[in-house]
Formats: sequence, structure tokens, C-alpha cells
Amino acid sequence: EPEVTQTPSHQVTQMGQEVILRCVPISNHLYFYWYRQILGQKVEFLVSFYNNEISEKSEIFDDQFSVERPDGSNFTLKIRSTKLEDSAMYFCASNVWGSGANVLTFGAGSRLTVL
Amino acid sequence: KNEVEQSPQNLTAQEGEFITINCSYSVGISALHWLQQHPGGGIVSLFMLSSGKKKHGRLIATINIQEKHSSLHITASHPRDSAVYICAVEVETSGSRLTFGEGTQLTVNP
Repeated sequence: EPEVTQTPSHQVTQMGQEVILRCVPISNHLYFYWYRQILGQKVEFLVSFYNNEISEKSEIFDDQFSVERPDGSNFTLKIRSTKLEDSAMYFCASNVWGSGANVLTFGAGSRLTVL
Repeated sequence: KNEVEQSPQNLTAQEGEFITINCSYSVGISALHWLQQHPGGGIVSLFMLSSGKKKHGRLIATINIQEKHSSLHITASHPRDSAVYICAVEVETSGSRLTFGEGTQLTVNP
């Protein structure tokens, strides 16, 4: 069964460092997403991406976050200068058609720990 | 107030019991998703509903759009069903993003 692949599975970084989280969505999917889950809290939407541009973003997705699809297969989330409160599990997800039409496939997550 | 409320927060059952997890939402939606989160953190999509009822194996999901309510049922529960079950909605005015509930921690004892 096709999978969404995320790397790294766990990253530890110092506050203020840049972090890049990588995702390989399912090949025929067109819509890509990043969500995050702070330990003990619910999952929160960060950003959605379609046709090589951001289609929606949440209030959390401020100027320190960016996304890109550099090579047609990878989908990356960059955090420019990490803060302690960025410590969370980050999930990449993808689906074929976007809203209301089909289930999302999630990656296994990348756990980010900021010290 | 959360847009998506789940009950109960925690549920402990004996193997074989019929389980119901409830989800209420306060906004107009285009779809509702039920997801399962394993102890390791991974999230798996179980169902996407916009009306009626869906069944997959021992899992049944229903939705009542008028009452803004959905239920997830597990028949003949098994210890391997132990996980967090999450309800999430696509809000009509918010495109394809999912708004998540807090989740229901289910523990099924042998």
C-alpha cells in the first residue's frame, strides 16, 4: 500500500537553529499538508499546498515557517529559527483531491525536540 | 469552546464489548473524518463521511448532519483496538484543512 514517508523520525536541535523536515507524499496525490501535535494536545493544522503554492495556512504558520516542493517528489517544512514551543510531532499528509472528497494519508511523523 | 467535541475522553472496555465514541461539532462541515492514532504516534485514516453510514470490518461510522453529530462504533472489541480515536472535520468555510477533536483514549483489556 502506498505510504507517505517522513524523515527524520526524530530530530533534536538547539533553540535558534534551522530545521528542515522532509516528506515524500504518495505519487499521484495533488494536495499536501503539514500538521503538528504538541505533546498531550490535539493535532493542529499548519499549512496546505497545491499546485506548487500555499493554498491555506493557519495562524501558527508565521514567518519562521516555510514550505516548498523542491524537486517534484519531496515536500519540506522549514523552521527558520526554532523556539522551545516548536517542540512537537510534525505530520505530513496528502490526498488526491483536497476537500470533502477523499481520506488523507498521514506519514508516521517527525518528532522535533528543541532544547 | 472547541469546534469539535468528543466523548468520552477515556474509555476502558473488556474484550468483546461493543464500543461507541461520540463526536459533536458546532460548525457547518463538508466532511467528517475518523482517525486512529497508535501509541507510537502514527495516524491512520479510518473513515471519511459526509452523510449516512460507513462500515469497514468491525468498525462502523455514522453521521447525522442535522444534529451535527457522528459516532464511531467498534463491534467485538479486541486489545489491538486500543488507541486514540480522533474525530476531525473539514469546516465548510475553511477549505481542505482538518479541525481536530481532542481524541478518545480507548483501552481494551483481555
